[in-house]
Amino acid sequence: AQSVTQPDIHITVSEGASLELRCNYSYGATPYLFWYVQSPGQGLQLLLKYFSGDTLVQGIKGFEAEFKRSQSSFNLRKPSVHWSDAAEYFCAVGYNNNDMRFGAGTRLTVKP
Amino acid sequence: DTGVSQDPRHKITKRGQNVTFRCDPISEHNRLYWYRQTLGQGPEFLTYFQNEAQLEKSRLLSDRFSAERPKGSFSTLEIQRTEQGDSAMYLCASSFTGDTEAFFGQGTRLTVV
Repeated sequence: AQSVTQPDIHITVSEGASLELRCNYSYGATPYLFWYVQSPGQGLQLLLKYFSGDTLVQGIKGFEAEFKRSQSSFNLRKPSVHWSDAAEYFCAVGYNNNDMRFGAGTRLTVKP
Repeated sequence: DTGVSQDPRHKITKRGQNVTFRCDPISEHNRLYWYRQTLGQGPEFLTYFQNEAQLEKSRLLSDRFSAERPKGSFSTLEIQRTEQGDSAMYLCASSFTGDTEAFFGQGTRLTVV
């Protein structure tokens, strides 16, 4: 059965520091992988997605993610966090939008 | 087009009452999805439409839940005889067929008291 695990429920980083959010997946075939961000009271916004090809994917707002098949991981990174990045981040895996499984999310707090 | 819109944004209802939510997708999108998100969890798929046809329903969608998209444009999600366990954020998303990017609305937060 396909599933997504985000091991960190809550992460706090200082503004300007680097960030890595972890995501591990279990899927029967090569999956499509996504990272979404959700600000309080808002819907989900797609940050980036991986389908095939280059395993390092660039997204919006300076985020990137790397697909590592051997580790079944798709970690999200940002070299320098801004206060406006504070939000909930969701990793998702699937083929179609109706087959998408989301992780439980990681809440990011940014310290000034 | 300002994106996917959902109405209402918040709904408080008493247990046993019926509630209906509306979703207006991005106008040219033919696929429409409903998800439920409970506190501390990621969204869970409920159902999706392609045009007016409801193509898939999750087993999470009990017989108290019904969704429609009568003209292939807006959609409604109705919950009958609400229970406290129905308290959640209900998210709507839309996309083109074959396009893997779905655009989400801001959600309707339901509280059943």
